[in-house]
Amino acid sequence: GIQVEQSPPDLILQEGANSTLRCNFSDSVNNLQWFHQNPWGQLINLFYIPSGTKQNGRLSATTVATERYSLLYISSSQTTDSGVYFCAVVWHGFQKLVFGTGTRLLVSP
Amino acid sequence: DSGVTQTPKHLITATGQRVTLRCSPRSGDLSVYWYQQSLDQGLQFLIQYYNGEERAKGNILERFSAQQFPDLHSELNLSSLELGDSALYFCASSVALGNSPLHFGNGTRLTVT
Repeated sequence: GIQVEQSPPDLILQEGANSTLRCNFSDSVNNLQWFHQNPWGQLINLFYIPSGTKQNGRLSATTVATERYSLLYISSSQTTDSGVYFCAVVWHGFQKLVFGTGTRLLVSP
Repeated sequence: DSGVTQTPKHLITATGQRVTLRCSPRSGDLSVYWYQQSLDQGLQFLIQYYNGEERAKGNILERFSAQQFPDLHSELNLSSLELGDSALYFCASSVALGNSPLHFGNGTRLTVT
């Protein structure tokens, strides 16, 4: 099956810092999404981005499908950004969303 | 708010019991997915329905079953519960298959004692 690897596994930032999270996948995909799981367990949909670049406030994402990776940029981080960030993909010909192992982010004041 | 509603939010039950988790998809979404997230684990795909029919199956135990009803809501039934079934169970919905984003509910936290 498809492999989805995220890096780094853990990240600690001071408030106001910028960061880049990476997602590598091993095969062609139809769908790629970034999620934020907050400390209460809620899964927040950040981006639907099978290719190209999108921005939403302090967050932006870029997917280079031909090179099989996606990046999530967080600028001017805030304590509320803490949690786990998941990348998830739908493999060509399949219908289920396969999740990466996540990046655990802690933003300290 | 994703528009996907899951009930109950929390469930505490004993080993050997049976529970039913409920999911109402976003208005207009035909596809429903169930995922399990155990403590400190990633999200594992269980099963998918599209317009009432089962379309894909993941690592779902035989003790677990699901269905999608004509009004498109879905239920996940967990029976003969074991301690290891304690997890966060998520439902997600999408408009179509494969090429549309999934929207997740807030999950049902199941604790088996």
